[in-house]
Amino acid sequence: GENVEQHPSTLSVQEGDSAVIKCTYSDSASNYFPWYKQELGKGPQLIIDIRSNVGEKKDQRIAVTLNKTAKHFSLHITETQPEDSAVYFCAASMAGFGNEKLTFGTGTRLTIIP
Amino acid sequence: NAGVTQTPKFQVLKTGQSMTLQCAQDMNHNSMYWYRQDPGMGLRLIYYSASEGTTDKGEVPNGYNVSRLNKREFSLRLESAAPSQTSVYFCASSEGRINEQFFGPGTRLTVL
Repeated sequence: GENVEQHPSTLSVQEGDSAVIKCTYSDSASNYFPWYKQELGKGPQLIIDIRSNVGEKKDQRIAVTLNKTAKHFSLHITETQPEDSAVYFCAASMAGFGNEKLTFGTGTRLTIIP
Repeated sequence: NAGVTQTPKFQVLKTGQSMTLQCAQDMNHNSMYWYRQDPGMGLRLIYYSASEGTTDKGEVPNGYNVSRLNKREFSLRLESAAPSQTSVYFCASSEGRINEQFFGPGTRLTVL
């Protein structure tokens, strides 16, 4: 089955700087890559996703890039703010192959230092 | 719209006891999921239901059973709880394939 590795496990960034979280996946058939943000005491919430026919996607201060050849994708957060402090999860899915299950990475705890 | 709701929020069980975690969604979604979240291990899929009347095993189904009671409700049952089942359990729902999953607030379960 699919295996998703996520790095780093913890990341501290000065407010206003950029943060980058990286994930690799094992199955070249995976074609859907969402990123979820989990705030303390809450369930994860989708913040951005990318499909395999696209190399990059941006939404305001958040961007995701996908390299299908290398089987890795990354989350970029620019101009970080205190409210960006949370745990971030990447995931991968072989959606469209009769399989809609997500395989999650192990998470990155991002701390924004004021 | 309440989204995805879960009950209870917290539960403490003794080894061997049974309990059912309840989940309901009001978004008319077809698919529902149960995950467990353990420190350093991310979210792992226990069971999922692609549509009303169907259920399938996920990555870690042992020790659990599920029931898709109707389109809105998807319950998770622990027949004989073990300390290894101490975890935070999340229910989620989605419209279908390649769609955003909406998560509930979670149930923190401790098995002594």
